Amino acid sequence: EVQLVQSGAEVKKPGTTVKISCKVSGYTFSDYYIHWVQQAPGKGLEWMGLVDPEDGETKYAEKFQGRVTMTAEMSADTAYMELSSLRSEDTAVYYCATLPLHGDFVFWGQGTLVTVSS
Amino acid sequence: DTQMTQSPSSLSASVGDRVTITCRTSQDIRDDLGWYQQKPGKPPKRLIYAASSLQSGVPSRFSGSGSGTEFTLTISSLQPEDFATYYCLQHNRYPRTFGQGTKVEIK
Repeated sequence: EVQLVQSGAEVKKPGTTVKISCKVSGYTFSDYYIHWVQQAPGKGLEWMGLVDPEDGETKYAEKFQGRVTMTAEMSADTAYMELSSLRSEDTAVYYCATLPLHGDFVFWGQGTLVTVSS
Repeated sequence: DTQMTQSPSSLSASVGDRVTITCRTSQDIRDDLGWYQQKPGKPPKRLIYAASSLQSGVPSRFSGSGSGTEFTLTISSLQPEDFATYYCLQHNRYPRTFGQGTKVEIK
């Protein structure tokens, strides 16, 4: 069974950094990019970027460029998303997902709520 | 970036109604578009990929069409479990971009 299991909810102060993990199982980690998607409370979906677990190559949305780092640790079958200089607008649920262009291999993590509050 | 214009932002419909949601893109993305359904507190679920291909296990009342810059998701006969928010997502170029979402509510 394919699973993407994310780390738990976080409460962070403004200006700090959060790092979320996404552990995959049930498939070969290097076969699919891991995408990260942000969803602020009551708002829509926003694509943040992706990491290729095979070689670590990343693509980031300009909105997050400079503040986000996505990595993948092959030995642990785990992807990470680190967001720095947190502000209140970063309060959101963050999802990891495989989003292949075609086919049925679409799986999502359960989401991680990050709350940024002083 | 490829801008996505999804409409309407919300709609009210009854069980059995035919529902159409449109997504327009600012650049030609061929057929590199998917449609997603999201229910509260859950991650999205892909319904359609490559503009018109039905994801495995998705009921046939869902269909997608279009190419280039204009795309449509149609629900031929709305069912109670279809009340949700729907998003389009282009994956022709980076950054990937979602539409703003369409909330389908019960009339």
